Amino acid sequence: NAGVMQNPRHLVRRRGQEARLRCSPMKGHSHVYWYRQLPEEGLKFMVYLQKENIIDESGMPKERFSAEFPKEGPSILRIQQVVRGDSAAYFCASSPYEAAERGEQYFGPGTRLTVT
Amino acid sequence: DAKTTQPPSMDCAEGRAANLPCNHSTISGNEYVYWYRQIHSQGPQYIIHGLKNNETNEMASLIITEDRKSSTLILPHATLRDTAVYYCIVRVARNDYKLSFGAGTTVTVRA
Repeated sequence: NAGVMQNPRHLVRRRGQEARLRCSPMKGHSHVYWYRQLPEEGLKFMVYLQKENIIDESGMPKERFSAEFPKEGPSILRIQQVVRGDSAAYFCASSPYEAAERGEQYFGPGTRLTVT
Repeated sequence: DAKTTQPPSMDCAEGRAANLPCNHSTISGNEYVYWYRQIHSQGPQYIIHGLKNNETNEMASLIITEDRKSSTLILPHATLRDTAVYYCIVRVARNDYKLSFGAGTTVTVRA
């Protein structure tokens, strides 16, 4: 059973470009979470999605950031017009329905975004 | 709003038990204690969680004090691969799906 997959693992973007980060949850997992880890800081929750629904986006910056988890395909975290402050590691986690309430989340290896 | 307090770092000898403390003096009756760890450059890994009773799984044991104001994560036989940042998190199991990671404890296992 493959774990949570994220791609790309490393992404370099110039200021003003768009960044698209993909997350394929574990098989059978219907809940996806995105977290951001800025350099030398802890992980911060961004958004929680179920298939086709955003459940909690309280940690998402109000502008330039969006997330989706379509019926088919991976979850996408999209950052428009990136700035240097967006440089960070972005982690995706997933859980099946029954584990979501228990707090068990299974994390992917992360995408390291560098904005030049 | 830090709900947990952990020492910033600790060392442990390989093969010995590692005891990681966590204070959560403001924990509510319906909040669980979770432990995750993050090995360098990897995603966090779930270890264990509990409410009142002590818990044990293949990775670790969790000891929660009777007043629930503190807990200890025990790695019974630490290996070099256990070197990581360990996070103690409290949250309500229902209705609050996000995990709030603090600074954690950097555990270094030495040969």
